[in-house]
Amino acid sequence: NAGVTQTPKFQVLKTGQSMTLQCAQDMNHNSMYWYRQDPGMGLRLIYYSASEGTTDKGEVPNGYNVSRLNKREFSLRLESAAPSQTSVYFCASSEWVVGQPQHFGDGTRLSIL
Amino acid sequence: GEDVEQSLFLSVREGDSSVINCTYTDSSSTYLYWYKQEPGAGLQLLTYIFSNMDMKQDQRLTVLLNKKDKHLSLRIADTQTGDSAIYFCAESSDPNNAGNMLTFGGGTRLMVKP
Repeated sequence: NAGVTQTPKFQVLKTGQSMTLQCAQDMNHNSMYWYRQDPGMGLRLIYYSASEGTTDKGEVPNGYNVSRLNKREFSLRLESAAPSQTSVYFCASSEWVVGQPQHFGDGTRLSIL
Repeated sequence: GEDVEQSLFLSVREGDSSVINCTYTDSSSTYLYWYKQEPGAGLQLLTYIFSNMDMKQDQRLTVLLNKKDKHLSLRIADTQTGDSAIYFCAESSDPNNAGNMLTFGGGTRLMVKP
């Protein structure tokens, strides 16, 4: 029972490098989300996909792009990594209905030097 | 926009009760959630409460909602060392769309001393 799977778990990049974070869910959820977690700031939404074929900006989208590859997979891309993007990134999925809980992956710990 | 506030840190002794508090500003909040994050892991849904409820109990967990004061609390009875984690409060409100957007608090780190 995998739930939400994120790869890689850890990554170190140099400033200016590009990187794609992968996320897949096996719960047949319509909606998927990317968050970043910084100390004391909780989780902030980067992008979300309410359903296959749609993506929308969240609270902190600058410097990121996303692709909803199919119903299962939602990737997050950093085109030119900056030290300010050092963070823990979480992917989540749910049904697109208020009250349906979001299920989270274990996160990707990304350091940019 | 919505805002969810939590205190940063709570320390209790094993066997005591823990109370983690949360305040929110959005009066149209419909669901309020508590998530638990253990070190190196993602967020795990603990419990949630619908806005027309005052209280929800689930084994050692009790959630209290004061809608007038926009205050949510999570009480953990007989706290164990395995309860040491970061606890996040989150609210969901989307009055105009059939959506499912969450706003998270900054998290409260609970430390349980043996």
